[in-house]
Amino acid sequence: GENVEQHPSTLSVQEGDSAVIKCTYSDSASNYFPWYKQELGKRPQLIIDIRSNVGEKKDQRIAVTLNKTAKHFSLHITETQPEDSAVYFCAASKGVGSNQFYFGTGTSLTVIP
Amino acid sequence: GAVVSQHPSWVICKSGTSVKIECRSLDFQATTMFWYRQFPKQSLMLMATSNEGSKATYEQGVEKDKFLINHASLTLSTLTVTSAHPEDSSFYICSADLRTGRFEQFFGPGTRLTVL
Repeated sequence: GENVEQHPSTLSVQEGDSAVIKCTYSDSASNYFPWYKQELGKRPQLIIDIRSNVGEKKDQRIAVTLNKTAKHFSLHITETQPEDSAVYFCAASKGVGSNQFYFGTGTSLTVIP
Repeated sequence: GAVVSQHPSWVICKSGTSVKIECRSLDFQATTMFWYRQFPKQSLMLMATSNEGSKATYEQGVEKDKFLINHASLTLSTLTVTSAHPEDSSFYICSADLRTGRFEQFFGPGTRLTVL
């Protein structure tokens, strides 16, 4: 089955700095890679996603890059704000017909005001 | 759109009893739903894929006789934790996708299960 690794497990940055979280996956058939933000005791919320036919995607302060050859993808948050503090999870899926999500281990991001 | 609800939001039960958790898609039909378990400060672990009108598909290591899944309609899937034990205490979250070419999954708010 798919194995998704995520680093770092914890990350502290000063407000305004950038944060980068990296994930690797094992199954070359995976072709959909979402990133979720989860606050304590709440449901995960999708913040950005990328499909394997795209190398990079950006949405305001958030961007995701994908290297399919190396089987890794990264989340980039620029100009971090205290409200960005949460746990972030990456996931990998094969998409249509087999849309099971396999999550990384999570990164607890703290943005220091 | 694409709202998923769960009931109950939290439940406390005695060891040995069974607990049923409901997952509903409120504004769309979900032929497939997914059940995850999340222990404190850990990741979401996929337990099973719930298929409307057919048997659920369980991930390796998940006991199908302990975690019974029923997906009797296009808007409802249920997870029953049978003979619950303290080690089953966890946050259970369901999700569904739209099956329209979008791969995004929409998550329910989760159910906190505590087994005494």
